[in-house]
Amino acid sequence: GESVGLHLPTLSVQEGDNSIINCAYSNSASDYFIWYKQESGKGPQFIIDIRSNMDKRQGQRVTVLLNKTVKHLSLQIAATQPGDSAVYFCAENVREYGNKLVFGAGTILRVKS
Amino acid sequence: DTGVSQNPRHKITKRGQNVTFRCDPISEHNRLYWYRQTLGQGPEFLTYFQNEAQLEKSRLLSDRFSAERPKGSFSTLEIQRTEQGDSAMYLCASSHAGAGETQYFGPGTRLLVL
Repeated sequence: GESVGLHLPTLSVQEGDNSIINCAYSNSASDYFIWYKQESGKGPQFIIDIRSNMDKRQGQRVTVLLNKTVKHLSLQIAATQPGDSAVYFCAENVREYGNKLVFGAGTILRVKS
Repeated sequence: DTGVSQNPRHKITKRGQNVTFRCDPISEHNRLYWYRQTLGQGPEFLTYFQNEAQLEKSRLLSDRFSAERPKGSFSTLEIQRTEQGDSAMYLCASSHAGAGETQYFGPGTRLLVL
């Protein structure tokens, strides 16, 4: 079945350091992946996405890596800032099966000043 | 603000009452989604619309839940005879079919059933 999981429930980093948030997925048919950031009391905010025909995609201060061999997804945040503190979710979609996203449980990122 | 909006932002109700939530998607988006999120968990898919047609419903959407999108623009989610287990954040998202499919979320409606 479809499932998305996260290796680390909480990640603490020092301001200015790089952060890496990991995600494992089990459905090899998933062809679209998204990272969302969610701050307390707010809805998920789109960060970056990647399709299964890509291995890497870069945005502003963020990079998503996709390893289809081991079904692993990661989000790298460069020069982490206090404003990056939030819960981060990875989500997957199998477009052949419709448009729903399947979310993992989330990783809490705490940035220490 | 051209993002997804949801109303109300918070709702407290007594068990057994009916509640209705509204979602206004990004204006050019023809797909609209409802998700539910409980504390410490990721959002769970409930249902989605393309224009006014409801194309998929999760098994989580019991017969007490009904969603509509009558004119293909805003959507409502109604919960009848609320139960304490319905307490959650109800999230709406929208996307544009054929334009990347990225789903953009609203701020959510937090429901507390007493």
